[in-house]
Amino acid sequence: NAGVTQTPKFQVLKTGQSMTLQCAQDMNHEYMSWYRQDPGMGLRLIHYSVGAGITDQGEVPNGYNVSRSTTEDFPLRLLSAAPSQTSVYFCASRDTTSGGGNEQFFGPGTRLTVL
Amino acid sequence: LAKTTQPISMDSYEGQEVNITCSHNNIATNDYITWYQQFPSQGPRFIIQGYKTKVTNEVASLFIPADRKSSTLSLPRVSLSDTAVYYCLVGQVIYNQGGKLIFGQGTELSVKP
Repeated sequence: NAGVTQTPKFQVLKTGQSMTLQCAQDMNHEYMSWYRQDPGMGLRLIHYSVGAGITDQGEVPNGYNVSRSTTEDFPLRLLSAAPSQTSVYFCASRDTTSGGGNEQFFGPGTRLTVL
Repeated sequence: LAKTTQPISMDSYEGQEVNITCSHNNIATNDYITWYQQFPSQGPRFIIQGYKTKVTNEVASLFIPADRKSSTLSLPRVSLSDTAVYYCLVGQVIYNQGGKLIFGQGTELSVKP
């Protein structure tokens, strides 16, 4: 199993550009989430999904869109990038069907810089 | 959602036992306590989870008192490679539903030789 994969690893955007961060998992997990982590800070929840077709907002959803058309994929879209969105973005998934509890599996992250 | 409070940082030496305490006064009946470890430039990694009393695995132990308003992560005989940030999370284990899992600021553990 590849686990949780994220692409790209690094990205530089100009203010106002849009882009999509990709996240995929091959563990058949229903639950997926996106976090951002600013330098020296903890992780903040952006959006999460409890299954295909179902998404909900986290702590800091403004400026981001998500959709969940398949169990495997959970892309994060930046609508109009701003310097305040410079951060490392982590995608995670967890098993909510067979006693997986709160164990989330994280991807390697996407390091985004907005100029 | 229950808020968690942890020390910002801790120092230790190799071979010592390290105990990191997390306060969660507003923990709900259905909440579980979960700890993660994060190394620089990596995503967090699950360490241990518990509901009450004591849980032990190959990496750590988790002690939870009867009132569940706090918990203590215990790392036995730390090494330099245990230098990381440790996060305490409180949230519900909701089968087939999921739910928000909110990270706090974490505790930066520095292990010295």
